[in-house]
Amino acid sequence: DSGVTQTPKHLITATGQRVTLRCSPRSGDLSVYWYQQSLDQGLQFLIQYYNGEERAKGNILERFSAQQFPDLHSELNLSSLELGDSALYFCASSAGQGDSPLHFGNGTRLTVT
Amino acid sequence: EDQVTQSPEALRLQEGESSSLNCSYTVSGLRGLFWYRQDPGKGPEFLFTLYSAGEEKEKERLKATLTKKESFLHITAPKPEDSATYLCAVQGRSSGNTGKLIFGQGTTLQVKP
Repeated sequence: DSGVTQTPKHLITATGQRVTLRCSPRSGDLSVYWYQQSLDQGLQFLIQYYNGEERAKGNILERFSAQQFPDLHSELNLSSLELGDSALYFCASSAGQGDSPLHFGNGTRLTVT
Repeated sequence: EDQVTQSPEALRLQEGESSSLNCSYTVSGLRGLFWYRQDPGKGPEFLFTLYSAGEEKEKERLKATLTKKESFLHITAPKPEDSATYLCAVQGRSSGNTGKLIFGQGTTLQVKP
């Protein structure tokens, strides 16, 4: 058990809808990362927050947004969903801004129908 | 652009048959190379971090090594419970002081009894 908690585990929704994925980092970790994993793309970095502030941005679509709250949990919001957004979404956390190994949760499987 | 290529894509071994997985990387200033193990339906589990050429790390039947262009994950006398997808990731200077990792596509290992 990595200590990173993601909810929900599964999410099925229709095209055009909006969903929110939630992540609680390991106790004491200040950084939260979001990754998308699809069969053809592998693990792709979306965004990193450190202590409430955005630190790094990857190939995150404009329809996607994230935030980290004062209690350090994070939410990833996906809107105007398309079939191609179906994937596993992983949250990871680390102690520092950039030199710690990342510890991953077990992901949220999103299916857009 | 930082890139990671893993080979082979899939590997089948008999129990006890040792082998190696390869991770070739191109990065502008390596800050760290990471190995993860991912079981079906789970998030990646951290195994090792390597920082400089010549460095080696071991954990049970696994040994990771690093050169200036590639890393190897050696599996000695594997057991069926070693079956998983092994992911390699790099953190380069272009990521600044962030924890952004670039992942390879992974090698799926199956160990038969």
